[in-house]
This record gives sequence, structure tokens and C-alpha cells, in this order.
Amino acid sequence: DVKVTQSSRYLVKRTGEKVFLECVQDMDHENMFWYRQDPGLGLRLIYFSYDVKMKEKGDIPEGYSVSREKKERFSLILESASTNQTSMYLCASRISKYSNQPQHFGDGTRLSIL
Amino acid sequence: LAKTTQPISMDSYEGQEVNITCSHNNIATNDYITWYQQFPSQGPRFIIQGYKTKVTNEVASLFIPADRKSSTLSLPRVSLSDTAVYYCLVGDWGSNYQLIWGAGTKLIIKP
Repeated sequence: DVKVTQSSRYLVKRTGEKVFLECVQDMDHENMFWYRQDPGLGLRLIYFSYDVKMKEKGDIPEGYSVSREKKERFSLILESASTNQTSMYLCASRISKYSNQPQHFGDGTRLSIL
Repeated sequence: LAKTTQPISMDSYEGQEVNITCSHNNIATNDYITWYQQFPSQGPRFIIQGYKTKVTNEVASLFIPADRKSSTLSLPRVSLSDTAVYYCLVGDWGSNYQLIWGAGTKLIIKP
């Protein structure tokens, strides 16, 4: 079974702080994703990565950046956290873009920005 | 891009069959239809995926008509543990991830 692990389940930070959310997958998947999930809005893609050192903007990249230095790890960075970034953040991975296999998700990080 | 529309909520009873329909009028030729289940405080979990006609696995069936403008997730003989939010996702896995998520259907199963 694929395991996607997010480093924190709950996180509280202050406005203006630099925030790091970490995600690790154990199945040598090429593709990794960061979503945010808000009530009534479903899942919205922030950034994704096809492979190591690669990154692509999703639908709502503003205010975020990402890092993928190793294949198994994909980090989401909030450069200067703001209250409107309070949300549930979900990380996902999948084998590669050349497969129709679905994404596998972690259990999320609930981030509160005060 | 295909926009997906699904009911906000549904109720049913234990032992019944539940059908949740997702509308995706502008689905593209290369798009697949995928359904996920999500429990509180957990990430979405893959249920089933299809391209056309009918797909069945050990937990659900997915019905897709010929025009592919909608799809129906069918859960046979639901139990209380099937209470969850169900998401429809339409997209082309092989492209630059033009993935369109529905807003989710909250399914409540009553005893």
C-alpha cells in the first residue's frame, strides 16, 4: 500500500511567518501534489511536481512555493503566511504522468494562521 | 475545462443502494472520471475510476453513459460506515494535470 505522510496533522502559525509543510511518499512515485481544501470549494491544486527538481503551478499558486530536492519529499512553503491561508492542506502522489493510476493522499495538515 | 457538478448532500438507510451522480458536460476526449471517498480528518481515498460504460470493483460500480457527460457512482447495500463525503474528479492524467474536482457530496447513512 502506498503511504503518503504529512509531517504535521495540526499547525498554528502567526501572520507573516514563513511556514513549511512537509510530505513524504514511500512508493518511488514520480508525481507529487499539494492541494488546499476549504468548505464548499472542494480540492484546489496549488502546485505539483512531475519529478525531482521539477515544479508546475496549479490553479492557486499565489502566496505559495514548493521544493522537491528528493524524489520522496515535496515541501510546500508559505513565504509570508496570511489569515486567508488558514485551510486544510493535502499532499498526494501518483506513479507518473504516463499512467492512469490515481493519486494517493496523505491525511492532511490543518493549518491555522492567527 | 470540464466543470463537475454533484449534489451537496444525500441521505439513505443501511442496506440500501445509493447512487450519486456527477455532471461534467464539457468532458474532454482524454479525460477519465475518478471517485474518491473522504472521512473527517482523513485524506481522500480512491474508490473507482472509469472512462466509459461500466466499471465494477469490490466496493462500488461506476456507470458512464455513451456521451460521457455524467457519471453515477453506485454503492451497493450501504452501511453506517459509508457515511462520508464523495468527490467526483474529471481529468486527463497524462496531460499537465487539468484536473477538475467536484465540490463533494456529503452522504449520510441512517440506521
